[in-house]
Amino acid sequence: SAVISQKPSRDICQRGTSLTIQCQVDSQVTMMFWYRQQPGQSLTLIATANQGSEATYESGFVIDKFPISRPNLTFSTLTVSNMSPEDSSIYLCSGSNRAGNTIYFGEGSWLTVV
Amino acid sequence: TQLLEQSPQFLSIQEGENLTVYCNSSSVFSSLQWYRQEPGEGPVLLVTVVTGGEVKKLKRLTFQFGDARKDSSLHITAAQPGDTGLYLCAGAGRNAGNMLTFGGGTRLMVKP
Repeated sequence: SAVISQKPSRDICQRGTSLTIQCQVDSQVTMMFWYRQQPGQSLTLIATANQGSEATYESGFVIDKFPISRPNLTFSTLTVSNMSPEDSSIYLCSGSNRAGNTIYFGEGSWLTVV
Repeated sequence: TQLLEQSPQFLSIQEGENLTVYCNSSSVFSSLQWYRQEPGEGPVLLVTVVTGGEVKKLKRLTFQFGDARKDSSLHITAAQPGDTGLYLCAGAGRNAGNMLTFGGGTRLMVKP
């Protein structure tokens, strides 16, 4: 299976600040995605991180709030901007294998906004 | 938009019982994955099913993909407390990108 690591694993943030989450994947991964998992809920796709170009956002998510970078094949960042308590969530980095039929997840970044 | 209905949402059983979790959709998926997530961790992939009618076994877990590739089930035999967790099904569409659509999850608790 692919190795996906993200940091920070956990953080407590002040309202109005921004936090950037980093994700590093191994060479088995081709596509990269960012998901959000609100407390007690399933996963919701935020966006697909595209190498060298703007991410593709899902409905309900915008670049100003969740800027994403992917400067190369194995690294991506997600920034949660101007945070409010409603942004308290697990943010998960994921990547698909070369065959494109399996997606692996990092351990998640647990953000609490106070 | 592809939707996956997962049921039941919650399940609390005694050790040794059997259970089945269902994942249903009106859409066809190119593949379907099952994940298990424990508190404080990211989802861990259990299995990927690709072919309609496919059955895969992982020790006490049996996964089945429907013939039409619209539904799937996870059956656990003789559940153990270590099986406790959130089980998630996720379907990959045929469109470019292989983005996953997640079911709502089944929170399983197995009591000793």
